[in-house]
Formats: sequence, structure tokens, C-alpha cells
Amino acid sequence: GAVVSQHPSWVICKSGTSVKIECRSLDFQATTMFWYRQFPKQSLMLMATSNEGSKATYEQGVEKDKFLINHASLTLSTLTVTSAHPEDSSFYICSAPDSTYGYTFGSGTRLTVV
Amino acid sequence: RKEVEQDPGPFNVPEGATVAFNCTYSNSASQSFFWYRQDCRKEPKLLMSVYSSGNEDGRFTAQLNRASQYISLLIRDSKLSDSATYLCVVNMEYGNKLVFGAGTILRVKS
Repeated sequence: GAVVSQHPSWVICKSGTSVKIECRSLDFQATTMFWYRQFPKQSLMLMATSNEGSKATYEQGVEKDKFLINHASLTLSTLTVTSAHPEDSSFYICSAPDSTYGYTFGSGTRLTVV
Repeated sequence: RKEVEQDPGPFNVPEGATVAFNCTYSNSASQSFFWYRQDCRKEPKLLMSVYSSGNEDGRFTAQLNRASQYISLLIRDSKLSDSATYLCVVNMEYGNKLVFGAGTILRVKS
């Protein structure tokens, strides 16, 4: 089936630093990638939608200058959390629609900002 | 009003029990419906799609009532391994974002 490889699985960083999360489609072309965030005991909330070769679309309330999304190729989308703060600590997960297998999720990145 | 609402539970049931989860969605234009399962600290995994005619996959039965904008999941003969959070998910159109409910926690105990 379709696979989306997400790295890193977990990361601990100091407040004020930036963290890059990568999602790579391994056996299909992901023209669209959805980026979600999940706080403990809450639902997955869509942060933004990235489309290959164009600017990402951000959901209301998500700061585009803080959460930088790049989708430069058909197999790679990245999310960079800039100047991370403890309140950014969360589970970040990507998902790409695939015509054969439906929606494929990355394995998620658990970010802890200390 | 949330786009997708679920009873958070937890539902604590003994092995072998039958348990049902319900979900309502607010957007009548929603086209596709799913149940996902999420284990602690893991990504969601598709359990089953939900069709208007209702569908069954082994011990799992899903129902959709478009008029009431209501989705259900029935699990028969619960196993310990069924313990997880069950997410109700709707989609306006294929290729568009998935909208997740907050999930219903199921704990199956021996």
C-alpha cells in the first residue's frame, strides 16, 4: 500500500529553536499533503494544506510565519516550527490522499519544547 | 457547534461485550464517512468506510443516516485488542481534508 514516511518520530528542543518535520511519500506522488496537530485528549486539527509547487493554505488561527510549510516536490513536504515554545508541544502528523489507497498518514512526530 | 461530535467515553466493557459508538456531523454536504482507530501516541488507522446502505467487516458494523447526519459503529464480541480511541471522520469530497471527531475511548477488560 501507499506509505508516507515521517521524520523525526519524536524531538525535544529548547524554547526559541526551530524544528523541521519531513513527510515523504515513498511509492506514490503526493500532490497534496495535510498537516494536522493533536493535543492530548483532543482531536486531530488541520493546520494547513500544502500543494506541490504552490503556497500552502493555512486554517484560521494558524500562524503561517510560525509554521512554515514547503512542498517543493511530489514526494516531500516539510513543516518547520519556528521559534518553538512550550505551547507548541504536540503531536504533528501528515496525511496524503492517494487515489488507490485513500488517505495515508505518516507515523507522527511528537514535539516537546522545553 | 463542532463539525463532528462524539461521546468521548471512556467505554469500559468486558471481553465479549457488544458496544456501540455514535457520531453526528454538522455539514449536510459531507460526502464520505469513516471510522478510524487510533492507539496511544500512534497515527490513526482506517478501520472502515461507512456507506449509506450500512456495511459490515467481521465484528464491526457501520451505519450512516444522512437524514439525521448520524454515524454509528457497532463492535461485537469485544477483544482486549480493540482497546483504542475510535475516531469518526467525515470528508466533503475526495482529496479534501478529513475532519476528525475528538474520538471515543474504548477499554476492553478481561
